[in-house]
Parts: sequence; C-alpha cells; structure tokens
Amino acid sequence: AQSVTQPDIHITVSEGASLELRCNYSYGATPYLFWYVQSPGQGLQLLLKYFSGDTLVQGIKGFEAEFKRSQSSFNLRKPSVHWSDAAEYFCAVGTPTGNQFYFGTGTSLTVIP
Amino acid sequence: KAGVTQTPRYLIKTRGQQVTLSCSPISGHRSVSWYQQTPGQGLQFLFEYFSETQRNKGNFPGRFSGRQFSNSRSEMNVSTLELGDSALYLCASSLSSGSTDTQYFGPGTRLTVL
Repeated sequence: AQSVTQPDIHITVSEGASLELRCNYSYGATPYLFWYVQSPGQGLQLLLKYFSGDTLVQGIKGFEAEFKRSQSSFNLRKPSVHWSDAAEYFCAVGTPTGNQFYFGTGTSLTVIP
Repeated sequence: KAGVTQTPRYLIKTRGQQVTLSCSPISGHRSVSWYQQTPGQGLQFLFEYFSETQRNKGNFPGRFSGRQFSNSRSEMNVSTLELGDSALYLCASSLSSGSTDTQYFGPGTRLTVL
C-alpha cells in the first residue's frame, strides 16, 4: 500500500539559513512524487513534482527536491529561507492512474528573524 | 484564468444534518478530486470524478457522496453529520485523470459540526 512519512512535525529555522524537509514514501512501482505548500487559511500550492528522469527537480520559490530510490526518499531543500516561507509543507505520492494522492502528515515550518 | 473555487467557504451545521459543498474547477479541467483535512488524520482522499464518473474512492463511509455535472462542477454531500466530520474539505482540479497532470487546489470549505 502507498504511504508517505514526514518525520518532522515542526521545524524552526532562521531567515537566511538552509532548509531540508524530509519525506519517505512507500510505493511498489515508480512513484509520482509531489511537494505542496499550504499557508494558513489557504489551499495547497504545488511546489514541484517528480515523475521520471533527472532525480533533482527544481520547483517554484527557489525550492528543489531530490529523488533517491535506494532510500525511498524525496527530500525538499532550499538554500536560503525567507520569512514568507513559513507554512505547512506536504509531501505526496500519486498513482499513474487516477488522481488519488497519498499525503504525509505535513511539516510546519517556522522562520525566525 | 480563474482558479478553483469552493463554496461556501465556511459552514456550521449540527449533528444529524446534511451538507452539500460545491467546487468549480479551472476552466477546461475535467477531473475533480475531494480531500478531507483534519489535524488528527491529515489529508485524506475522498473521491475523484472525471467526465461525470467516479474514478476512485477513498476509505470513507457511504454518508460521503459526490457527483460531477456536465460542466465539470462537482458537489460533495455528507449526510447525517457527525462531530468527527468537522474538517477542511479541499477540492482539486486537473486537466485529466492521472497524476502526471498537476492538481490545483481550491481554498477549501471549513465545515464545523456542533
């Protein structure tokens, strides 16, 4: 069965510091992987996605993620965090047929000045 | 192009009542998916509709149902509301049914059951 684990419930970083949010997935075949961000009172916005090919994918807002099949991971990174990045981040795995996504429980990011 | 719209944005109901939520997808999108978001369970898939047909269904009781109209607008209905149904209900639309198409999420409907 498909599942996604985000081990870190909450992370606090200083503005300008680097960021890495962890995501581990369980899926029998080649996964379709996504990172979404949710600001308070808002829906989810897609940051980036991975289907195949280059294992390092670039997304919006300066985010990138690396797919590592051997570790079943798809960690999100940003070299320098901005105060506006404070939000909830969700990793998700999708199936090739249908739009049924399995989401992780999310990581809440706080950015301190 | 307008984004995904959900109405109403906030709703308060009492136990035993029923509720209908509406989702208007991005123009041209034919797939609409619904998710329930709660602090305890996170984001859980409810169902997906594509071209007026339910394609996938999550693990929710039959009290949760949905439909899609010919213009791709979708509604979900929850009957006999329970306290545990209090949640943010999100819908997402995409061009087609398949994870390679980006899903665009609406702002959600916040349902409170008293």
